[in-house]
Amino acid sequence: GIQVEQSPPDLILQEGANSTLRCNFSDSVNNLQWFHQNPWGQLINLFYIPSGTKQNGRLSATTVATERYSLLYISSSQTTDSGVYFCAVERNRGSTLGRLYFGRGTQLTVWP
Amino acid sequence: NAGVTQTPKFQVLKTGQSMTLQCAQDMNHEYMSWYRQDPGMGLRLIHYSVGAGITDQGEVPNGYNVSRSTTEDFPLRLLSAAPSQTSVYFCASSPELDSPLHFGNGTRLTVT
Repeated sequence: GIQVEQSPPDLILQEGANSTLRCNFSDSVNNLQWFHQNPWGQLINLFYIPSGTKQNGRLSATTVATERYSLLYISSSQTTDSGVYFCAVERNRGSTLGRLYFGRGTQLTVWP
Repeated sequence: NAGVTQTPKFQVLKTGQSMTLQCAQDMNHEYMSWYRQDPGMGLRLIHYSVGAGITDQGEVPNGYNVSRSTTEDFPLRLLSAAPSQTSVYFCASSPELDSPLHFGNGTRLTVT
């Protein structure tokens, strides 16, 4: 498979603070996605970003595929941003096409 | 659109029982997949399908069967439940490979 490492594992912020979450992966990928799992367990797709930079409101993501990492930026954090953030990748070669591998996530807690 | 619908939401089984977790999507997505989520483990791929009539194994396929007779439905069958299959199961779909993945709300399964 492919190794996906997310850091930090836990992050605690005051409302209004900014944060950066990192995803490192061990091989070339053609598919990278970020997800947010809210406290009720729902998984929401934030970004499909195999390369480049995207922004959606207070969230933005950058993937540098040649250096095998992706970053998720959260600005002016709100309590509703709390939950677990997952990075998932798919290798771009071999028998694992179609398989999306998830990291173990970053648990974010935002206090009012 | 209802999106990805999973039933049931909760299920308790005894060891050795069989059951089917249902997953349906109304977005005409070609790609569908099943994941299990265990504490601290992220999400692990069980089986996936790139279209009707085509299925393949993921990371943790043992003890589970799938079929894809229609584009809309992708049921997951547990043939003989074991306590190790206690987990939260998520079904997901996307228009095609390498496109944003959409998750259902999950099924919490307990095997006693």
